[in-house]
Amino acid sequence: GENVGLHLPTLSVQEGDNSIINCAYSNSASDYFIWYKQESGKGPQFIIDIRSNMDKRQGQRVTVLLNKTVKHLSLQIAATQPGDSAVYFCAENGWVEYGNKLVFGAGTILRVKS
Amino acid sequence: NAGVTQTPKFQVLKTGQSMTLQCAQDMNHEYMSWYRQDPGMGLRLIHYSVGAGITDQGEVPNGYNVSRSTTEDFPLRLLSAAPSQTSVYFCASSQGLGGGNEQFFGPGTRLTVL
Repeated sequence: GENVGLHLPTLSVQEGDNSIINCAYSNSASDYFIWYKQESGKGPQFIIDIRSNMDKRQGQRVTVLLNKTVKHLSLQIAATQPGDSAVYFCAENGWVEYGNKLVFGAGTILRVKS
Repeated sequence: NAGVTQTPKFQVLKTGQSMTLQCAQDMNHEYMSWYRQDPGMGLRLIHYSVGAGITDQGEVPNGYNVSRSTTEDFPLRLLSAAPSQTSVYFCASSQGLGGGNEQFFGPGTRLTVL
């Protein structure tokens, strides 16, 4: 399938295992963070978000962890399934030169082996 | 609801040609934006609008124009296409700005400029 990024890091996991995808963000003043999933040929889809006053947030099979000390965000997917194969990227909301906007990371490719 | 729709899905242009990428949403969202996605890079904001009649520039606005005559539609116009504008273009909408306002993305337009 089509990859949106030719040089993105790739994580390969066995079906049923847990996946951990990491993201380093740049702005210590960012107040809101989001994880998106992008399947081949489709637009990004919201997975889960977290505000800067939280360290952890759980959804259905997904958990986001925020470490503000080292400006690190992670997405944990439990019992990874073939349908989880996609590009995952984080976004941070904060002030940039063109306003209070979302800034997106390049992404990580997740490949699930059956 | 159809969500966010984009047309066309694919387009090939010659250098110097102009065209308009269409975007529409039926969620009555005030905030709409255009991004481009290039290999190995995160989404970059081109232009955005906080409501009908109001538009502003994002990170990479040069070579693009937008207008917002209605809440539903937010077309992106390429004035004189250049090979550097070869990219995948995504339109997004949300109820508001900042944290807690989930952005909904369209399926994308894949543009090639020869």
